[in-house]
Amino acid sequence: NAGVMQNPRHLVRRRGQEARLRCSPMKGHSHVYWYRQLPEEGLKFMVYLQKENIIDESGMPKERFSAEFPKEGPSILRIQQVVRGDSAAYFCASSPPPTTGNEQYFGPGTRLTVT
Amino acid sequence: DQQVKQNSPSLSVQEGRISILNCDYTNSMFDYFLWYKKYPAEGPTFLISISSIKDKNEDGRFTVFLNKSAKHLSLHIVPSQPGDSAVYFCAASRPFAGNMLTFGGGTRLMVKP
Repeated sequence: NAGVMQNPRHLVRRRGQEARLRCSPMKGHSHVYWYRQLPEEGLKFMVYLQKENIIDESGMPKERFSAEFPKEGPSILRIQQVVRGDSAAYFCASSPPPTTGNEQYFGPGTRLTVT
Repeated sequence: DQQVKQNSPSLSVQEGRISILNCDYTNSMFDYFLWYKKYPAEGPTFLISISSIKDKNEDGRFTVFLNKSAKHLSLHIVPSQPGDSAVYFCAASRPFAGNMLTFGGGTRLMVKP
């Protein structure tokens, strides 16, 4: 019974390269969220997706960042032309269709290091 | 603008005693509050939540209290155990906001044996 899966767990990229982070939600969950945690800070919301739809991307930087959750396969967070400031832990969470509760279940995260 | 704040970056407690972690918020639209626990190099783990229509929710050793008038919530852990040592985040959500969670900065709890 797998929880939320993220890969890779660690990713090192040089400045200017692209980073692709993948997230497979828990079985039965159709809602995916991406959060970013900078060192010594809390998690910051980036984007909320359902299958084939971006529902809320208000936390996503306007440039270089994109996210998708295709009909088949994992959700992908893509960062183009990475810079040092993109170094952070990126967490994916999933939930079933929300009712009165908003519990989200998190994956182990991908730690991105930009050199 | 930090809408959810955890003003204590760290807390040290003796095993068997009560741990009280505090959280304040500024947005009165928040209607659901959650606590997560996080170990190093792992993702946050959901602990307990509370709706704004309640003032208390209890689950085993964990109790969350909500004071809406003060815009304050707290997590009580009784009795504290060394395995509880972790970073605790409070989070809040509001209706019609895409279900995004707004997190506090976290409090590192250390439970000493």
